Amino acid sequence: SQQGEEDPQALSIQEGENATMNCSYKTSINNLQWYRQNSGRGLVHLILIRSNEREKHSGRLRVTLDTSKKSSSLLITASRAADTASYFCATDDNNNYGQNFVFGPGTRLSVLP
Amino acid sequence: ETGVTQSPTHLIKTRGQQVTLRCSSQSGHNTVSWYQQALGQGPQFIFQYYREEENGRGNFPPRFSGLQFPNYSSELNVNALELDDSALYLCASSMGLADYEQYFGPGTRLTVT
Repeated sequence: SQQGEEDPQALSIQEGENATMNCSYKTSINNLQWYRQNSGRGLVHLILIRSNEREKHSGRLRVTLDTSKKSSSLLITASRAADTASYFCATDDNNNYGQNFVFGPGTRLSVLP
Repeated sequence: ETGVTQSPTHLIKTRGQQVTLRCSSQSGHNTVSWYQQALGQGPQFIFQYYREEENGRGNFPPRFSGLQFPNYSSELNVNALELDDSALYLCASSMGLADYEQYFGPGTRLTVT
């Protein structure tokens, strides 16, 4: 089955710097979504990008998708201490809507004040 | 905060017992998915319900079962609990199967002793 894998596993930056996280997956997808999770709580949806889209923006977030390389990246600009969290990418099987929604192991981001 | 609620917040059970976890979906959502998240890992898809029918299932044994009710709330039942079932259980609701973001509840922390 397909799987999203985030890279790096952990990232530590200073407040104000940009943070980039990458996600790779194995098979064709319908869409790819990025989520944030604070300290063992519920996940918060950040951005959904469809397989026919290449880039999306939301506030300080920028997501790119390269289906030829089966990869996506999440860029957080001008990071803040409140951005400290785990970030996950999740992929939806192109052939079975909603039947196999797969999360990667996540990137743990620490933003130091 | 999403409109998805889960109960209970925390639960301690003994190996071999049975447990029922509950989820109320966000208003207008007809799809509920359940995930198991072990400490330090990404959520693992258990199954999904769409309009009261199971729509897909991850790699979990039959002792993990579920229900979705006419109001689209849902239950996750786990029989014959094992120590490895200790995890955060997350439910997520969405408006449908394809191209919809999932709204997560805060989770139920299950500890099996």
